[in-house]
Amino acid sequence: QKEVEQNSGPLSVPEGAIASLNCTYSDRGSQSFFWYRQYSGKSPELIMFIYSNGDKEDGRFTAQLNKASQYVSLLIRDSQPSDSATYLCAAIDRYGNKLVFGAGTILRVKS
Amino acid sequence: KAGVTQTPRYLIKTRGQQVTLSCSPISGHRSVSWYQQTPGQGLQFLFEYFSETQRNKGNFPGRFSGRQFSNSRSEMNVSTLELGDSALYLCASSLSGDQETQYFGPGTRLLVL
Repeated sequence: QKEVEQNSGPLSVPEGAIASLNCTYSDRGSQSFFWYRQYSGKSPELIMFIYSNGDKEDGRFTAQLNKASQYVSLLIRDSQPSDSATYLCAAIDRYGNKLVFGAGTILRVKS
Repeated sequence: KAGVTQTPRYLIKTRGQQVTLSCSPISGHRSVSWYQQTPGQGLQFLFEYFSETQRNKGNFPGRFSGRQFSNSRSEMNVSTLELGDSALYLCASSLSGDQETQYFGPGTRLLVL
């Protein structure tokens, strides 16, 4: 079992729709979770981080964390073609200083 | 603040050679982590340095090594290059590395022929 799992996609949504990206993790000791966006040929760019159970909103983005279910999600409202990228879910391991990444979900927003 | 910088951005080497990559963290950041990204394996952790000490290491062979200087700049070295070492090598920095957000540099794309 991979430590962080994501559906590789591609996930296709029409412009203006809500894109929902999901991630599960296996290490119950993980406390911090991150969503990075990576455009083709570029490095990962931080979108959001979340430490506590519940929702965290930042503009069009909402991260959700459920530690009991070991589940993290990212919602993108009013999706734009510029949101088309690979979204990487990551967890910091229980020792606190190693990021473990999922394989990434490819998102395509169609105009 | 300037972001994380990495040099060189692109590199072509041949099998058996060695390579040294450099990373300058965001000013004030003392933790530097290195990752390898390939299409097949995704993003994988190589090692992390804090205060000139390697604090954590991933599952890579001993050909991969690194170091950190007193100004927090870090280098990673790969000796006896293999074709499979072709990848995007990413460096990320954070204040102290403990459960903190890591910010990535632009990466060094290494091609081994």
